[in-house]
Amino acid sequence: DAKTTQPPSMDCAEGRAANLPCNHSTISGNEYVYWYRQIHSQGPQYIIHGLKNNETNEMASLIITEDRKSSTLILPHATLRDTAVYYCIVRAGNNAGNMLTFGGGTRLMVKP
Amino acid sequence: DTAVSQTPKYLVTQMGNDKSIKCEQNLGHDTMYWYKQDSKKFLKIMFSYNNKELIINETVPNRFSPKSPDKAHLNLHINSLELGDSAVYFCASRGSLGQFFGPGTRLTVL
Repeated sequence: DAKTTQPPSMDCAEGRAANLPCNHSTISGNEYVYWYRQIHSQGPQYIIHGLKNNETNEMASLIITEDRKSSTLILPHATLRDTAVYYCIVRAGNNAGNMLTFGGGTRLMVKP
Repeated sequence: DTAVSQTPKYLVTQMGNDKSIKCEQNLGHDTMYWYKQDSKKFLKIMFSYNNKELIINETVPNRFSPKSPDKAHLNLHINSLELGDSAVYFCASRGSLGQFFGPGTRLTVL
């Protein structure tokens, strides 16, 4: 699996967009980018995944650069409940359930 | 209804004991997993299991063994518990939209 690099922590004002970056410069052609988050004392939660096109669902948007070496998860209107650790994972295959390897993630703190 | 449930939520035990953590999913998924989250909050895959195949992370000691009485359950048995086994253990099941995780079991070995 390609290694990912994320900033260890970020702050965001409530109601503003939270943009979480992820670098995956060694990503290969068949690898997808997945995002999960873990709210304190809970299990990880799937957010979104994509290959090369930008993706959007009810939770977030995923922007993948044209060279696929980096991506950004966007929470359009962050709330206090979005405070969590966000994990960017790169994994082969369009199967969001393959075995995943979680790195350190980004601790997002949404402040009032 | 809870999609993936684990029991117990907290487990405190002595070194050398044998313990089990239960996991149940009501999503109809075929594949389930066990993860270990250590003190640094890194999540590490331990097992992947479906009706046909068990995939074991090579770094997992053989004191750990998954047991699946049926498709909806994947229990984790741990023999001869050691201090280093203290962690939070997450069960998960796989669906088309990703893995759904249980709430975790915090294991403390004294």
